[in-house]
Amino acid sequence: GENVEQHPSTLSVQEGDSAVIKCTYSDSASNYFPWYKQELGKGPQLIIDIRSNVGEKKDQRIAVTLNKTAKHFSLHITETQPEDSAVYFCAASKTGDKIIFGKGTRLHILP
Amino acid sequence: NAGVTQTPKFQVLKTGQSMTLQCAQDMNHNSMYWYRQDPGMGLRLIYYSASEGTTDKGEVPNGYNVSRLNKREFSLRLESAAPSQTSVYFCASRTGGPNTEAFFGQGTRLTVV
Repeated sequence: GENVEQHPSTLSVQEGDSAVIKCTYSDSASNYFPWYKQELGKGPQLIIDIRSNVGEKKDQRIAVTLNKTAKHFSLHITETQPEDSAVYFCAASKTGDKIIFGKGTRLHILP
Repeated sequence: NAGVTQTPKFQVLKTGQSMTLQCAQDMNHNSMYWYRQDPGMGLRLIYYSASEGTTDKGEVPNGYNVSRLNKREFSLRLESAAPSQTSVYFCASRTGGPNTEAFFGQGTRLTVV
């Protein structure tokens, strides 16, 4: 079955700097790669996703890249702000199938 | 605009007791999921239901059972709770069509003593 590895487990960056979180997946049939943000005491919420027919997607300060050959994808947050502090999860899925998550990255934005 | 609703929000059980976690969604989604979240372990899939009438095991199904009661509701049952089942449980749903967003509930924090 699918296995998703996520690194790093913890990341601290200065406010205004960029943050990068990386994930790899094992099932070459996976075709959907969402990223979720979880704030304290809440359920995860989708922040951006990418499908396997696209190599890069951007939404304001957030971007995701996908390398299907290497089976890895990354989340990039630019100009980080205090409200970006949270736990971030990557995931992989096939159409209509289960969604497998990475172990998460706790992002700290330092003042 | 309820989305995904989980009950209860908090629960304390004694070892060996049973309970059912309830989940309901009002978005007419086909697929529903149960995850558990433990420190350092991320979100691990317990069971999922791709459509009404079907259920499948996920990554960590042992000790749990599920019921897809109808299209809206997907319950998770612990028949004989163990301390290892202390966790935060999340229910999620999505349309089940090609590559769609999953929506999560607020979670149930379960402690087994």
